[in-house]
Amino acid sequence: AQKITQTQPGMFVQEKEAVTLDCTYDTSDPSYGLFWYKQPSSGEMIFLIYQGSYDQQNATEGRYSLNFQKARKSANLVISASQLGDSAMYFCAMREGRRSGGYQKVTFGIGTKLQVIP
Amino acid sequence: EAQVTQNPRYLITVTGKKLTVTCSQNMNHEYMSWYRQDPGLGLRQIYYSMNVEVTDKGDVPEGYKVSRKEKRNFPLILESPSPNQTSLYFCASSSRDRGTYEQYFGPGTRLTVT
Repeated sequence: AQKITQTQPGMFVQEKEAVTLDCTYDTSDPSYGLFWYKQPSSGEMIFLIYQGSYDQQNATEGRYSLNFQKARKSANLVISASQLGDSAMYFCAMREGRRSGGYQKVTFGIGTKLQVIP
Repeated sequence: EAQVTQNPRYLITVTGKKLTVTCSQNMNHEYMSWYRQDPGLGLRQIYYSMNVEVTDKGDVPEGYKVSRKEKRNFPLILESPSPNQTSLYFCASSSRDRGTYEQYFGPGTRLTVT
């Protein structure tokens, strides 16, 4: 079974609008962390936001927020007030806990390509 | 400047010719990883290391070797490259300091094996 599922290969959003990128995950480990990374066309990987499995509140970082629904095993990324520079590939990733091989075993989804339209 | 460096950035080689891609970080991070990125497959972890002399297999370790003799360096070795190892490779490092273990990525190495 896929550990990280991103079902939206591509998304379009109008500039200044909000957009939600979906991510569901699968793990039986009670301790895990969820990440979102951005990969612009230039190729570098940029860390955006992190949510721990025991965190009570949804993570926020500037215009990025993570809608964490633990029971549904979803960790959607919300980008508010989209900008042209947000056009990029977005990856959801999970690191599992000791039970699954340790904190450095990381699984990525296949990504969602976001295009922001002026 | 805190960074992860990889060399070379681009490499074209032939089947069977041993090669090494170097990775170095200057942040004193304990953890380092190698990934390959292929279209439609996202990033897949090849090997990771928890500290000097401690490494473990990721999801796609076949055909690769790693070593961690120094904390800052984590080279990826392809003993006998094959065309199916043509890919974009990323090295990453992280630390437990912030409790999140977010990874800092190198710029990537694009490898073509003919």
